[in-house]
Amino acid sequence: QLTQSPSPLSASVGDRVTITCRASQDISTYLAWYQQKPGKAPNLLIYDASTLQTGVPSRFSGSGSGTDFTLTISSLQPEDFATYYCHQLDSFPLTFGGGTQVEI
Amino acid sequence: EVQLVESGGALVQPGGSLRLSCLGSGFTFSDYTMNWFRQAPGKGLEWVAHISNGGITTYYADSVKGRFTISRDNAKNSMYLQMDSLRAEDTAVYYCGRGYYWGQGTLVTVSS
Repeated sequence: QLTQSPSPLSASVGDRVTITCRASQDISTYLAWYQQKPGKAPNLLIYDASTLQTGVPSRFSGSGSGTDFTLTISSLQPEDFATYYCHQLDSFPLTFGGGTQVEI
Repeated sequence: EVQLVESGGALVQPGGSLRLSCLGSGFTFSDYTMNWFRQAPGKGLEWVAHISNGGITTYYADSVKGRFTISRDNAKNSMYLQMDSLRAEDTAVYYCGRGYYWGQGTLVTVSS
């Protein structure tokens, strides 16, 4: 089970934003972060907990291992207002956090 | 570049059946395990089923066990999801995934 917080998250352009994801058991670094905008497929941002996917802006970063993980956006941009999900691939059933909607 | 393209989504009546397909390219399909995921309208993401690279081992979410069947044809770089006894709550966009990589999804609507 993955527990994400906060939700929703109210922020302004330029803010530093941190989203946390807590796993109910040790998942090592088998964690990814996705961004999703309305009507679109989830977009991979971070995999293996801290590896930035090719083409993703460097203002996104991930950290953590074991049970506690964070996604940080160093300076929120207008195009970053979206819903963010964490996702564990350590064991079945594969699970997702409940999502964090980042809103103005 | 890894590409995954889903197809087969449609409007189907409750109790009906549907078969989704996922075509992979840009990688050696037979080397990778694969998954199906879904997202109901306005809801979060849900894992549906998994298949090993050789197709021998499969896992299912409890919500679809006994109704859905995952399979693959490595010669065709394709994976499938046979969905039977469909319910209104199966209405969702269905995505295929290879590890962290997903396709763009196909919409399944179960309604009379």
